[in-house]
Amino acid sequence: NAGVTQTPKFQVLKTGQSMTLQCAQDMNHEYMSWYRQDPGMGLRLIHYSVGAGITDQGEVPNGYNVSRSTTEDFPLRLLSAAPSQTSVYFCASRDSGQGVETQYFGPGTRLLVL
Amino acid sequence: LAKTTQPISMDSYEGQEVNITCSHNNIATNDYITWYQQFPSQGPRFIIQGYKTKVTNEVASLFIPADRKSSTLSLPRVSLSDTAVYYCLRTGSARQLTFGSGTQLTVLP
Repeated sequence: NAGVTQTPKFQVLKTGQSMTLQCAQDMNHEYMSWYRQDPGMGLRLIHYSVGAGITDQGEVPNGYNVSRSTTEDFPLRLLSAAPSQTSVYFCASRDSGQGVETQYFGPGTRLLVL
Repeated sequence: LAKTTQPISMDSYEGQEVNITCSHNNIATNDYITWYQQFPSQGPRFIIQGYKTKVTNEVASLFIPADRKSSTLSLPRVSLSDTAVYYCLRTGSARQLTFGSGTQLTVLP
């Protein structure tokens, strides 16, 4: 299993540009989520999905869109990038079998918005 | 959102046992307590999960008293490589999983 994969690893954008951060998992997990982590801070939930076709907002959803057309993929779209969106973005999927809920995180995407 | 409270930072020396406490006064009946570890430039990694009493695995132990309003992550004989941020989460009842700021553990030689 590859686990949770994210692309790209690094990205530099100019203010106003749009882009999509890709996330995929091969563990057949229903629950997937996106977090952002600013320097020296904890993770903040952007959007999450409890299954294909179902998405919902987290703590900091403004400026981001998501969709979940398949169980495997959960892309995050930045509509019009702003310097405040400079951060590290982590995608995660969650296993809730056998009473133990474990989130598996991808390696992260480092985004710099100029 | 399901919040927990834990110390911002802790220092320890190699070989010592480290105990990190977490407060979760309003824990729901079907909540578990889950701890994650995060190294710089990496995503968090699951360490341990428990409901009450004591859980032990090859990495750590987790103590949760009967009232379940707090929990303690215990790391035996820490090494320099245990330097990381440790997060305590309530999992189970909420669809959203909330990470706080975590506890920065620094292990000194």
